[in-house]
Amino acid sequence: GAGVSQSPSNKVTEKGKDVELRCDPISGHTALYWYRQSLGQGLEFLIYFQGNSAPDKSGLPSDRFSAERTGGSVSTLTIQRTQQEDSAVYLCASSWKTAYEQYFGPGTRLTVT
Amino acid sequence: RKEVEQDPGPFNVPEGATVAFNCTYSNSASQSFFWYRQDCRKEPKLLMSVYSSGNEDGRFTAQLNRASQYISLLIRDSKLSDSATYLCVVNIGRGTGGFKTIFGAGTRLFVKA
Repeated sequence: GAGVSQSPSNKVTEKGKDVELRCDPISGHTALYWYRQSLGQGLEFLIYFQGNSAPDKSGLPSDRFSAERTGGSVSTLTIQRTQQEDSAVYLCASSWKTAYEQYFGPGTRLTVT
Repeated sequence: RKEVEQDPGPFNVPEGATVAFNCTYSNSASQSFFWYRQDCRKEPKLLMSVYSSGNEDGRFTAQLNRASQYISLLIRDSKLSDSATYLCVVNIGRGTGGFKTIFGAGTRLFVKA
């Protein structure tokens, strides 16, 4: 079956612009996660959604970052007023429920110039 | 102290060798455990879940020691294609009913001919 998909695969933007990254989870998965990974670094948790519960936003690095999940499926991560330190690969994952195996999308490579 | 710790390596082994990785976790509320592998510039891929009774998948064996709070991954008969970074993942239960997912920083493995 179809895996997790993300778009765009690459995004180059100028400092100060807003960007939106999209994630399409595996059908039927109720939990959706966003992470980011800087070059040569480990995964940094950003936010997760579980069903209709309030999202866990504890990993968002600043109020420039926000995410929503519409209809319990597709999610959008928005970064406002991008900074160069936002440059990273943004990875989305989904799982049947939280604490179950997570399956990752291919990521969006964001470069802020 | 980090919640999940792994030896960063790198481990350099010849083809056919047996190699073992350990991962320690600090939170006794940890409830589910996984090993992922991540190839260079790719997303993490689930390798295997880790069960209390231990589990094996071909050349790979995972074990959990709750008393000592560590999990291990054993790779037998290493192949060149096993070269990757191996990530330990722990889901920690929260009193609210949610979970927190922590990824280890990863252990790099190089298998050489």
